[in-house]
Amino acid sequence: EPEVTQTPSHQVTQMGQEVILRCVPISNHLYFYWYRQILGQKVEFLVSFYNNEISEKSEIFDDQFSVERPDGSNFTLKIRSTKLEDSAMYFCASSGLGGTNEKLFFGSGTQLSVL
Amino acid sequence: SQQGEEDPQALSIQEGENATMNCSYKTSINNLQWYRQNSGRGLVHLILIRSNEREKHSGRLRVTLDTSKKSSSLLITASRAADTASYFCATGTGANNLFFGTGTRLTVIP
Repeated sequence: EPEVTQTPSHQVTQMGQEVILRCVPISNHLYFYWYRQILGQKVEFLVSFYNNEISEKSEIFDDQFSVERPDGSNFTLKIRSTKLEDSAMYFCASSGLGGTNEKLFFGSGTQLSVL
Repeated sequence: SQQGEEDPQALSIQEGENATMNCSYKTSINNLQWYRQNSGRGLVHLILIRSNEREKHSGRLRVTLDTSKKSSSLLITASRAADTASYFCATGTGANNLFFGTGTRLTVIP
């Protein structure tokens, strides 16, 4: 089965630094998402992306966050100035033509640790 | 918030028994999906039920949906140790987002 791949699997950064989390969605998918999960807590929606623009975003996705699809295959999440509370597992997901009316495929995640 | 709430938060059963997890949500939905997460890993889609459906089966999984009560249940029959994981419901409203519930941690004891 096709997979969503995320790199790196672990990222350690200092508070205030910028980080970029990378994802390669499934090649023929049209909708892309970022979620995060703080250890032991629920999976939280951050943002969805379609047709080269953000289509939905949550309250968590403030001005410190941005997403980009720089080429035909990558989808990135940038955190401009990391805070301690940004420490979490970040999941990328993608889906086909139906968007959230069909299943989402998730990557294995990037564990971000902000020190 | 339209996020779902799963019940129970944790469930421990013997191998071979059935496991039932419930999900309640707050807003109108287009569909409800169930996902599984092994510890420290990504989420894997299990089953999707649309708002006009009441019941769906997939292998050992049975999902029901009651839109009047805004609730869903996931039944895993004849559980196996490999079913040990966290299970999440997720609601789709037609907007381009999918909101996850708080999860049920299932432990199947061999």
